[in-house]
Amino acid sequence: GAVVSQHPSWVICKSGTSVKIECRSLDFQATTMFWYRQFPKQSLMLMATSNEGSKATYEQGVEKDKFLINHASLTLSTLTVTSAHPEDSSFYICSAEIPTTHGAIFSYEQYFGPGTRLTVT
Amino acid sequence: AQTVTQSQPEMSVQEAETVTLSCTYDTSENNYYLFWYKQPPSRQMILVIRQEAYKQQNATENRFSVNFQKAAKSFSLKISDSQLGDTAMYFCAFMKLEISGTYKYIFGTGTRLKVLA
Repeated sequence: GAVVSQHPSWVICKSGTSVKIECRSLDFQATTMFWYRQFPKQSLMLMATSNEGSKATYEQGVEKDKFLINHASLTLSTLTVTSAHPEDSSFYICSAEIPTTHGAIFSYEQYFGPGTRLTVT
Repeated sequence: AQTVTQSQPEMSVQEAETVTLSCTYDTSENNYYLFWYKQPPSRQMILVIRQEAYKQQNATENRFSVNFQKAAKSFSLKISDSQLGDTAMYFCAFMKLEISGTYKYIFGTGTRLKVLA
């Protein structure tokens, strides 16, 4: 089946530093990946759509200069949290889009990585 | 804008019993997809079941089935013969094709299900 990995699974960084989170599709190529943020006991909020070879599309309210997304290959997207602040502490989840067919109908499904817990001190 | 509502923040069920999680959504679209995802304590999101809006037949996957009421915009998940391993957070999700050509998910707020021994 489709497997998506994230690295690291847990990271602690100091305020003002930057941290990079990797999202990899292990056994398939993903033209499109997504980055979500999940606060404790809350739902997943889409941050941005990452497209291979082009700029990411950010959701309203997400600072593109703070959350840098790079999708340099069909199997890797990275999220860099720049100048991290304690309020950036959260659980970050990526997903990769994979085409599916159900009968004669073509669409997509998302497969999720295991998430990265970021703590900014 | 599409919204997804899960009105039950927490539920519990006895092992081997049946439980139903509710989900309603709001959209003006006619073609879309609905999903239930499970997020156990490991935080890994796992697809439980999927429903295409154009299909009238309710989707089933072993012990999991849905009651899809398109006119009422309701999409509930029924778990039969509940097992301890079903304990998790359950998210209802709506997916549609954006003008940009990207499929986007919108998640509900989740229902925390605890299966009791």
